[in-house]
Parts: sequence; C-alpha cells; structure tokens
Amino acid sequence: DIQLTQSPSFLSASVGDRVTITCRASQGISSYLAWYQQKPGEAPKLLIYAASTLQSGVPSRFSGSGSGTEFTLTISSLQPEDFTTYYCQQLNSYPVTFGGGTKVEIK
Amino acid sequence: EVQLLESGGGLAQPGGSLRLSCAASGFTFSSYGMSWVRQAPGKGLEWVSAISDSGDSTYYADSVKGRFTISRDNSKNTLYLHMNSLRAEDTAVYYCAKHFYDSRRRYSGGDYWGQGTLVTVSS
Repeated sequence: DIQLTQSPSFLSASVGDRVTITCRASQGISSYLAWYQQKPGEAPKLLIYAASTLQSGVPSRFSGSGSGTEFTLTISSLQPEDFTTYYCQQLNSYPVTFGGGTKVEIK
Repeated sequence: EVQLLESGGGLAQPGGSLRLSCAASGFTFSSYGMSWVRQAPGKGLEWVSAISDSGDSTYYADSVKGRFTISRDNSKNTLYLHMNSLRAEDTAVYYCAKHFYDSRRRYSGGDYWGQGTLVTVSS
C-alpha cells in the first residue's frame, strides 16, 4: 500500500502569512493526488485534484504542486477561515490512502 | 443540487453487524463511483471502501477486508456498507463520497460528501 506522510502535523501562523504543507508518498504516484480542507464537525472539502488543479469555487490563494513522490499545498495569504485541518489523498492505486493531516492554527 | 444522506449508524456490540446507507440525489448516480471514508473521534481520515459506477468492481482497505461489503442499488440511488464482525476500532463517523473525475475520466477525488453517520462499537 502507498503511504502518505504529511508535514508538519501542526503549523502556527498569522493572518496574511504564506504557508506550505508537504505530502510525501512512499512510491511514485504521478500526479494522482488531491488536497482537502476539513473544518470541525464538517465533511472534507475538495480543494485541489491532479496535484495542481484548483477545484471549481476554491479561492485562488490555494495552490498545489508536485509529482512523483513529493507534493505541496500552498496558501498564499492565510485568511481567518483557513485555520483548520488539511489532508492529502493519493488516487494512483487502490487502496486509496490519506495523509495524517496538518492542522493550521492561529499564532 | 447534489445531496448525500447517510443513515444506519448507531451503537453495536463487538462482533455485531450494521448496515449503513447513503441516499443520493441531484446527479446521475449510476454514472459515478462512490466511496466510504471514516474518521475515528479526534483522528484523521481513513478510506474504507469504493465501488465502481456499475457495481462490478469493489475495493477495500486492509483493515476492513473480509468484514465489510460495499454495494449499491442504482435503481434506488443508494449506496450501502454492510459491516460485520465489528471491532472497537471501527468506531468512527462514516462518510459516503461521490467520485470526481478529471477530463480523462480518471478518479481524482471526492467532490461531494454526506454529513456522516456515527458508528460506535462498544459493549
């Protein structure tokens, strides 16, 4: 099975900061990676698919990059509603797997 | 408007069974694969199982293989998860999610999710 390692697990930042979250795959997954945002008590929301394509309706401050085994999610200027948890997911092969999550907290 | 509504969660004893349902509306259900994803209290997301649009292909996480069965009834626009031999570690909120496809019809994530149904396994 393909393992995904997200880092950091926790991140403290301020409104307006640029933040980057990394997701590393245990083997190459081409560009078959998605990023989600999950707020407490809510279902996950798809932000980015195919590693770098912004899902419809998602603000342009979110961006994704990478291929193979290393991927990043960048938020260019943190907004108050962005302080929550983010997950990566590989869809290269079954079983599909998620990263452990990154919680973005207010500094 | 796409809607996914899970039901069937509740309290089950270790070794017991439950059947979850996910009623879909607002899209052509028979054209999309579907997945179940769970989240234990205070923990991260764990993919559980997926099924193709026709129901011909099914996939499972190692943690549930042989105990859980995913199925669908396209005439009723409903997805199911039959859970047997339940364990304490199966305690979680269970979400159903609609598959999203890229321009090449490649599964690229879950674009719509239900609100989740809580399964608690305890004696």
